Amino acid sequence: RKEVEQDPGPFNVPEGATVAFNCTYSNSASQSFFWYRQDCRKEPKLLMSVYSSGNEDGRFTAQLNRASQYISLLIRDSKLSDSATYLCVVTQGSSNTGKLIFGQGTTLQVKP
Amino acid sequence: DGGITQSPKYLFRKEGQNVTLSCEQNLNHDAMYWYRQDPGQGLRLIYYSQIVNDFQKGDIAEGYSVSREKKESFPLTVTSAQKNPTAFYLCASKPTRTSGAYQETQYFGPGTRLLVL
Repeated sequence: RKEVEQDPGPFNVPEGATVAFNCTYSNSASQSFFWYRQDCRKEPKLLMSVYSSGNEDGRFTAQLNRASQYISLLIRDSKLSDSATYLCVVTQGSSNTGKLIFGQGTTLQVKP
Repeated sequence: DGGITQSPKYLFRKEGQNVTLSCEQNLNHDAMYWYRQDPGQGLRLIYYSQIVNDFQKGDIAEGYSVSREKKESFPLTVTSAQKNPTAFYLCASKPTRTSGAYQETQYFGPGTRLLVL
């Protein structure tokens, strides 16, 4: 079983749609959680951290369910510029090495 | 501007050749990381360093070597022992002196694409 699992997609949605991505992780000791965005042939960039209480940044909402070891990302009112691969990322257990475990990513294509 | 730079953007390796990828940061970050990304896969950790003159193997260190002689620099050498080096190589850094989710965030350079001739 992969440490971080995501549906690779692609998710093809029209502009203005709401789309949700899910992610599961295997290590219950993981402490920090993130969504990164990666454009084609570019480096990953932090989209948002994910907090236990859930958090929102504009059109993006992230949720964490520690009991189910499940993370989600909701994008409302999709824009063409949201087309990218979204990486679910967790810290490796409770160690302080700063090691991150990356999912393979979910690809989103927003169509006009 | 503060940031992480990687060079070259593209690198070609011949059979039996060692090549070195450069990673430099002026963010004053303590920790630096090297990842490899293959098409359709997540990033995999090659080596990491939390402090100058110290580094540890990641999950796929075989065929690679690193050094950390300066805080700003963490070069990666892909040796001839790495039989499948074609990939996108990403360097990242983060501070280590504080805790919390924010400080676990890693910041990435633009990457180097390595191709075998």
